[in-house]
Amino acid sequence: GQQLNQSPQSMFIQEGEDVSMNCTSSSIFNTWLWYKQDPGEGPVLLIALYKAGELTSNGRLTAQFGITRKDSFLNISASIPSDVGIYFCAGRKSGGSNYKLTFGKGTLLTVNP
Amino acid sequence: DTAVSQTPKYLVTQMGNDKSIKCEQNLGHDTMYWYKQDSKKFLKIMFSYNNKELIINETVPNRFSPKSPDKAHLNLHINSLELGDSAVYFCASSQVVQRGSYNEQFFGPGTRLTVL
Repeated sequence: GQQLNQSPQSMFIQEGEDVSMNCTSSSIFNTWLWYKQDPGEGPVLLIALYKAGELTSNGRLTAQFGITRKDSFLNISASIPSDVGIYFCAGRKSGGSNYKLTFGKGTLLTVNP
Repeated sequence: DTAVSQTPKYLVTQMGNDKSIKCEQNLGHDTMYWYKQDSKKFLKIMFSYNNKELIINETVPNRFSPKSPDKAHLNLHINSLELGDSAVYFCASSQVVQRGSYNEQFFGPGTRLTVL
């Protein structure tokens, strides 16, 4: 089935560094979402994007909805140890499948203090 | 205060057994979902119910049967468990507020199923 290509697969960074990850698709999505999953927990929504070109921030997190509607990126500035976790992008198409989210395979972020 | 709750948190069972996982949400959402997360952390949708009606049914073995007694509950029953069923199963809920507007999917804490 449809999958999103999320990269990088994993990242090891030092505390204080900025982080960037992205998702691409061969087809158009009308909504892009970014979730974070801590160990032993369910994914938690970080940012939702609904318009092509939209740039949205949530604290140190910034995400953009690509103008082609086939990609999105997430930036984390000045990383801290609690940023550790798996970050997932998810896309939703419109129309009959408008309840269904397609998830990327995740980016595992490790932050060294 | 828990928005989406799942029971049990951990489930260890023998191959061939039948087991159920329960999910409840107190968000007033009208749509609920079951996802499977494999050992590589890939999240895959299995089922979705909207107001107790099945709206998403992915390619899942028919040993898996969802049941929604009301819009706040979505249970997952699994017959004849196999080793490959071992995974973390997440329940989620969401709400279509108005045309094109959503309260996005809110996930439960997960149920780790281990089949021996």
